[in-house]
Amino acid sequence: LAKTTQPISMDSYEGQEVNITCSHNNIATNDYITWYQQFPSQGPRFIIQGYKTKVTNEVASLFIPADRKSSTLSLPRVSLSDTAVYYCLVGPNTGGFKTIFGAGTRLFVKA
Amino acid sequence: DAMVIQNPRYQVTQFGKPVTLSCSQTLNHNVMYWYQQKSSQAPKLLFHYYDKDFNNEADTPDNFQSRRPNTSFCFLDIRSPGLGDAAMYLCATSRTGTGANTEAFFGQGTRLTVV
Repeated sequence: LAKTTQPISMDSYEGQEVNITCSHNNIATNDYITWYQQFPSQGPRFIIQGYKTKVTNEVASLFIPADRKSSTLSLPRVSLSDTAVYYCLVGPNTGGFKTIFGAGTRLFVKA
Repeated sequence: DAMVIQNPRYQVTQFGKPVTLSCSQTLNHNVMYWYQQKSSQAPKLLFHYYDKDFNNEADTPDNFQSRRPNTSFCFLDIRSPGLGDAAMYLCATSRTGTGANTEAFFGQGTRLTVV
């Protein structure tokens, strides 16, 4: 499974757009990129998944360049409730995919 | 409605006394996982079941065992808990197959305290 590297922590203010970048230089051809959010004392929650270019849902956008060696999770207009740990994961999406977490990015949103 | 349910939410056990944590799912997913998460750390995969096939991670201690009697239920058994086993234990499920959207669904976790 491809190793991922993310910033350990980030600070932001309410209403700002937050971009968290993840490096995955040895991503394989059949690997997808998935992001999870985790609040204290809760299990992680799926945010978004993509393979290439751009994916958008009601919560976030995921930007993946052509070489797929990195990806950026974009959270529009964050609020205090977006304070959480965000994990980037890379792995195959077929049969027996194991969800293995990297260190994650602690996002602090301030008023 | 909760789709992955872990019981209990909080468990206190004595040093060396066997303890079992339970997980159930209503998603009919064929893969179930157990993770250990210590304070300020990422979840660490202990093992997973692909249907009935058990897959242990290489660095999971023998002290940790698991059972999956049917699709819906999975148990984590800690045979002789040590102080270092105090952690949040997370159960997750996913389905397999081609295509996207095979994300993992997590339960709320069981926080284990060893005294």
